[in-house]
Amino acid sequence: RKEVEQDPGPFNVPEGATVAFNCTYSNSASQSFFWYRQDCRKEPKLLMSVYSSGNEDGRFTAQLNRASQYISLLIRDSKLSDSATYLCVVNPLNAGNMLTFGGGTRLMVKP
Amino acid sequence: ETGVTQSPTHLIKTRGQQVTLRCSSQSGHNTVSWYQQALGQGPQFIFQYYREEENGRGNFPPRFSGLQFPNYSSELNVNALELDDSALYLCASSPGQATNEKLFFGSGTQLSVL
Repeated sequence: RKEVEQDPGPFNVPEGATVAFNCTYSNSASQSFFWYRQDCRKEPKLLMSVYSSGNEDGRFTAQLNRASQYISLLIRDSKLSDSATYLCVVNPLNAGNMLTFGGGTRLMVKP
Repeated sequence: ETGVTQSPTHLIKTRGQQVTLRCSSQSGHNTVSWYQQALGQGPQFIFQYYREEENGRGNFPPRFSGLQFPNYSSELNVNALELDDSALYLCASSPGQATNEKLFFGSGTQLSVL
C-alpha cells in the first residue's frame, strides 16, 4: 500500500465549477500535511498547509481528518489557470522536512 | 523564482553510465533534499543533506549518492544507470531541517537513460 494515495484523475471540469480532491495516508503518526501544485514537468510549489481545524485561502479550502487519515482540497469557482496536478504531501513524525508525496491528481479546467 | 538552481536542465545518458547532477541552494539555506519524479508519479525522497552530512535517506540503492559542499551546494551522483532512472530530479533547499521549514524547489534536471 502506498504511503499517500490519491485518485490520479484527470478531473475535467468547466470554468466556475467546484471540484474536490481527496487523499489518504497510511502513517497515523504523520504530523504535517500540505497541498502542492505542479504544472507540467515543472517544480512543485506549495499551495497551502493543512491544519486539523481546516483552513481556507481564497478559493481554496483544505481539511484534515486525523481519525480517518484523510485530507481534502476544495477549489471553488475554478479558473483555467487552476489546470495543474495537485500533490498531497505528508511529513511523517520525526522526519524533519523530508516529505512523502502522493502520486498527484490532475485537474483540467475547460472554458 | 525560488533562488534554487539546478544544472543541467536536460541530460541524456546510456545504460551503465554515471551521472552527476548539481544544485545551488538559496542563499542562507543549509539543507538540501533530492527527489526523483518518474513520469506520471509524485516525487520520491532520495536523501537530504544538512551541513555537509547526510541526515536522511529514502528507499534508494547505494548507487545513488550525494555530496554537500561548504557553500551548501550539492551534487547527486548515480552510478550504473538503469532505464528506470529516467526521471525528473528535483533539488529543494530549506533554511533548516525542522518539520515546519518550507522547501524551495529548483526547476529540476530531466534525465533520460537510453
